[in-house]
Formats: sequence, C-alpha cells, structure tokens
Amino acid sequence: DIQMTQSPSSLSASVGDRVTITCQASQDISNYLSWYQQKPGKAPKLLIYDASNLQTGVPSRFSGSGSGTDFTFTINSLQPEDIATYYCQQYDNLPRFGQGTRLEIK
Amino acid sequence: QVQLVESGGGVVQPGRSLRLSCVDSGFSFSSYGMHWVRQAPGKGLEWVAVISYDGSNEYYADSVKGRFTISRDNSKNTLDLQMSSLRAEDTAVYYCAKDPARYRGPLYYFDSWGQGILVTVSS
Repeated sequence: DIQMTQSPSSLSASVGDRVTITCQASQDISNYLSWYQQKPGKAPKLLIYDASNLQTGVPSRFSGSGSGTDFTFTINSLQPEDIATYYCQQYDNLPRFGQGTRLEIK
Repeated sequence: QVQLVESGGGVVQPGRSLRLSCVDSGFSFSSYGMHWVRQAPGKGLEWVAVISYDGSNEYYADSVKGRFTISRDNSKNTLDLQMSSLRAEDTAVYYCAKDPARYRGPLYYFDSWGQGILVTVSS
C-alpha cells in the first residue's frame, strides 16, 4: 500500500499570509495526486487534481505542485473563508488520503 | 449541476446489516464511476469502494472486502452500499462521490460529493 504523509497536522496563519502544506508518498505516484478542502460538518471539495490542475470554479489563490513522491499545496493570500481541513489523496493505486492539515486563522 | 443525496444511515447493532443509497440529480449518472468514502468521527477520510459507470467492475478497500457490496441502478440513478457483519470501527459518515472519468475506467479521485450520512454501529 502507498502511504501518504501530510504535514503539518495543523497550522495557524494570518489573513493575507501564504500557506504551504506538503504531502509525501511512500513511493513514486507520478502526478496522481489531488487536494481537498473540508469545512466543519461539510463534505470535502476538490481543489486540485493531477498535482497541479485547478478544479473549475476554484479561486486562483489555490495551487499545487510536485511529482513523484513530494508534493506541495499553497494558498496565496489566505482568506477567512479558507479555514478548513485540507487533505491530499493519491490515486496511482487504490485511493489513500493523507492525515489532513487543520488550518486556523491567527 | 451535480447533486448527490445519501440516505439509509442510522444506528445498527454489531454484526447486523444496513443498506445505504445515494441518488443523483443533475448529471449523466450512468456515464460516471461512483465511489463510497467514509470518515470516522473526528478522523480522516477513507476510501471504501468504487463501481464502474456500467456496473461491470467493483473494487473494495481491504477493510470492507467480503462484507460490503457496492451496486448501482442506472435506470433509477441510484448507487447503493450493502453493509453486512458491521463492526464498531465501521462507524462513520459515509459519502457517495462521483469520479470525473466519463465512459471509461475510474480515475479514482472525486469531483463531486454528497452531503454524507452517519452510520453508528453500537449495541
């Protein structure tokens, strides 16, 4: 099984900050990686697929990069509505999610 | 506009069975693979099962293999998850989720989700 290690598990940032979350796969997954946003009590929402492609309708302040085993998710200019938990997910093999990153406003 | 609505959740005793359903409105349900993903209370996301757009292929997570069965009825735009031999560790919110690949094998990521339905396994 491919394991996904996401970090940090939580972080606190100020409005306007640039926020970065990383995700590491236990083996090469090419670019088969997606990122999701989940707000409390809500279903997850797809933000990024194929490591760097922005899903239709998602604000351009969200971006993703990486390939192979190391991936990065970035929010440029953090907004109050971005408070959520973020998950990476690999789909090179049967799907597996990272542990999640809880993002709070400082 | 995709709209997925789950139903059938509730409290069930260990060892018993429960059937979840998900109905689609607003997209070409029969064109896309569909998944179930679950989330234990306060925990992360776990993929459970997938079924191909035409129902010809199914795959399961090891944690549910042999106990859960995914199925679909494209004439009724419905997706089901039959859960048997339920365990306390199956307690979770269950989401149905749409695969983005149309008329082909699933890509195994999820571009639309239902609102989720809670299943509690407890005596």
